[in-house]
Amino acid sequence: AQSVTQLDSQVPVFEEAPVELRCNYSSSVSVYLFWYVQYPNQGLQLLLKYLSGSTLVESINGFEAEFNKSQTSFHLRKPSVHISDTAEYFCAVTYYGGSQGNLIFGKGTKLSVKP
Amino acid sequence: GAGVSQSPSNKVTEKGKDVELRCDPISGHTALYWYRQSLGQGLEFLIYFQGNSAPDKSGLPSDRFSAERTGGSVSTLTIQRTQQEDSAVYLCASSYREGGNEQFFGPGTRLTVL
Repeated sequence: AQSVTQLDSQVPVFEEAPVELRCNYSSSVSVYLFWYVQYPNQGLQLLLKYLSGSTLVESINGFEAEFNKSQTSFHLRKPSVHISDTAEYFCAVTYYGGSQGNLIFGKGTKLSVKP
Repeated sequence: GAGVSQSPSNKVTEKGKDVELRCDPISGHTALYWYRQSLGQGLEFLIYFQGNSAPDKSGLPSDRFSAERTGGSVSTLTIQRTQQEDSAVYLCASSYREGGNEQFFGPGTRLTVL
């Protein structure tokens, strides 16, 4: 079965520090990759996605993720975090060419940004 | 509508009762998904509808769970004879089509089984 591993369940960091949230997926077949964010008491929102093309993708609020096929990773990074980035982040994968399209999620990483 | 809506937002029920959860997807989205978010299991896929095709029920945890989608739009997830382990947030998502298209999530229904 396909799976997504988020290695850190919680990441505490100080404001303006850099952060990396790690994500690895199990499949060797072609994938689409996503990062979703869930702010406190809110629903899931798409942060960024990799479908094809450039392996580095960016979000509008300064996050970026790089697709690394050889390492089956899609780590999320931000060079300087804000208090408002405090949220739970979910890495997810789906497979193109398949018949489903449902997302397979990691367990999530809670990012806590402290002043 | 502007986004995916779900009702009710919260549901408290007694063990053994049946519950129905509703999802209104974004107009024009042909794909609809149900997921479950619980503390121990994270986010789990339950069932997927695409257009008029037969649904993919491979994620349903037991035969107490069922779902239907009427007219290619509104979907209802039904849980019969609820158990305490069914307590979770049930999320609905829709997308223009399957695969790489973004899935837009609703706010969820928090189900508590006493």
